[in-house]
Amino acid sequence: GENVEQHPSTLSVQEGDSAVIKCTYSDSASNYFPWYKQELGKRPQLIIDIRSNVGEKKDQRIAVTLNKTAKHFSLHITETQPEDSAVYFCAASKTGNQFYFGTGTSLTVIP
Amino acid sequence: DTEVTQTPKHLVMGMTNKKSLKCEQHMGHRAMYWYKQKAKKPPELMFVYSYEKLSINESVPSRFSPECPNSSLLNLHLHALQPEDSALYLCASSQEGSRINQPQHFGDGTRLSIL
Repeated sequence: GENVEQHPSTLSVQEGDSAVIKCTYSDSASNYFPWYKQELGKRPQLIIDIRSNVGEKKDQRIAVTLNKTAKHFSLHITETQPEDSAVYFCAASKTGNQFYFGTGTSLTVIP
Repeated sequence: DTEVTQTPKHLVMGMTNKKSLKCEQHMGHRAMYWYKQKAKKPPELMFVYSYEKLSINESVPSRFSPECPNSSLLNLHLHALQPEDSALYLCASSQEGSRINQPQHFGDGTRLSIL
């Protein structure tokens, strides 16, 4: 099965700085990579995703990059704000609706 | 507004009880999922339904029994659960992708406590 590793497990940044979270996956058949933000006591919410035929995708302050050869993908958040504080999960999936989540990164943005 | 609705929000049950969790979506999605999430851990895939048929069972104990009565509804029947089954149970749905999976939409979950 798929093994998704995520680093770091915790991350603290000053407001306005950038945050980077990295994930690696093991199954070369994985072709869709979503990122979720989960605030305490709430549901995971999709914030950005990338497909295997694309190397980079950006949505305002959030960007994701994918290196298929190395089997890793990263989330970049620029100009961080206190409301960005949450747990972030990466996931990898392949055809057949199989989704496997990384272990999560707890991001704290210090005002 | 949450597009995937789960009921109940909280459930406390004894180990001999039988209860059901319910999930409903009206986005026309034909893939529906059950996940289990323990505190400070990622969601773990339990079951996937595709076009109302069970397509994935991640070796879940038989005390959890899923059901998909129609394309909008997903149930999880619970019987003889153990204390370690206490967790947040999340339902999700997505469009069916032919070659690449589609984004999942999660419900708010049912927080289950087993006494």
